[in-house]
Amino acid sequence: QKEVEQNSGPLSVPEGAIASLNCTYSDRGSQSFFWYRQYSGKSPELIMSIYSNGDKEDGRFTAQLNKASQYVSLLIRDSQPSDSATYLCAVAKAAGNKLTFGGGTRVLVKP
Amino acid sequence: KAGVTQTPRYLIKTRGQQVTLSCSPISGHRSVSWYQQTPGQGLQFLFEYFSETQRNKGNFPGRFSGRQFSNSRSEMNVSTLELGDSALYLCASSLDGEQFFGPGTRLTVL
Repeated sequence: QKEVEQNSGPLSVPEGAIASLNCTYSDRGSQSFFWYRQYSGKSPELIMSIYSNGDKEDGRFTAQLNKASQYVSLLIRDSQPSDSATYLCAVAKAAGNKLTFGGGTRVLVKP
Repeated sequence: KAGVTQTPRYLIKTRGQQVTLSCSPISGHRSVSWYQQTPGQGLQFLFEYFSETQRNKGNFPGRFSGRQFSNSRSEMNVSTLELGDSALYLCASSLDGEQFFGPGTRLTVL
């Protein structure tokens, strides 16, 4: 079992729809959770961080964390073609900054 | 505020050579982490430096090493390069847990 698992996709969504991305992790000691967006040929860009159970909203993005189920998700509302990218889920334990990444979900937003 | 910078951006080496990559973190950030990204293995953690000390280390062979200077700039070195070391090497700096990545160094080993 991989430490952080994501569906590789591609997740195809029509423009204006909601894209829903999921991520599960195996280490119950994980304390910090992040979503990164990576365009082809570019480096990852931090879009959301979440540390406690529940929802966190930032613009069109909402991150959801459920530590009991070891599950973190990302919702992208009003999806735009510019949201087409690979979305990486990353988790870290409390100590230090070692991020463990999932394999990423490729999202395609079709006009 | 300037972002994370990495030099060089592209590098071509041959097997057996060694290489040094450089990273300058965001001003005020004291933690620098290094990652390797390949199509097959994805993003993997190499090591983290904080205040000139290695604080975390990933599961890479001893050929991969790093250091951090008093101004928080960091270098990583790969000795005796192998074909499998071809990858995008990413540096990330952090102040309070959130990590911000630089543009990366694309290393090709021939």
